[in-house]
Amino acid sequence: QKEVEQDPGPLSVPEGAIVSLNCTYSNSAFQYFMWYRQYSRKGPELLMYTYSSGNKEDGRFTAQVDKSSKYISLFIRDSQPSDSATYLCAMYDNYGQNFVFGPGTRLSVLP
Amino acid sequence: NAGVTQTPKFQVLKTGQSMTLQCAQDMNHEYMSWYRQDPGMGLRLIHYSVGAGITDQGEVPNGYNVSRSTTEDFPLRLLSAAPSQTSVYFCASRHTTGGFNEQFFGPGTRLTVL
Repeated sequence: QKEVEQDPGPLSVPEGAIVSLNCTYSNSAFQYFMWYRQYSRKGPELLMYTYSSGNKEDGRFTAQVDKSSKYISLFIRDSQPSDSATYLCAMYDNYGQNFVFGPGTRLSVLP
Repeated sequence: NAGVTQTPKFQVLKTGQSMTLQCAQDMNHEYMSWYRQDPGMGLRLIHYSVGAGITDQGEVPNGYNVSRSTTEDFPLRLLSAAPSQTSVYFCASRHTTGGFNEQFFGPGTRLTVL
């Protein structure tokens, strides 16, 4: 079993749809949970992060962490064509040096 | 700030050739790392460094060498290229102070080994 699992997609939605992206993980020591956005032929960029369990909102984006289920989600409201990208979840703990990434979900938002 | 820079952007090698991928950052970050990204596999850690003179192996280190003589630079060396090393390579850096530290990525190097 991989340490972090993520549905690779691809996922295609119409403009304005609500998008749900998810990851599951196995290491209960993880405390920081991140979502990176990667446009085609570019490096990943941090979208948002959450510490421990709970929700965090930033504009049209909401990140949720459920540590009891080892499950994290990213919701995108009113999706736009400019949201078309690959979304990677990532996580690490306070003692580890290294981030662990999911394989990424490719999202296309169609106008 | 230029952030994290990588050269070259593209490279084609023949099997058995060697080369060095360059990475530099101007944010005075202690931690630097190299990842490879393959379809369906996500980002896999090759080598990392927590400061000048200190390096360690990641998940997929075989066939690669690194060194860290300065805080700014972290080159990745392919000793004898193999087709299995065809991939996109990303360098990243961040601080290692307590709490959350954002990891910044370079633009990537696309490597093809024939």
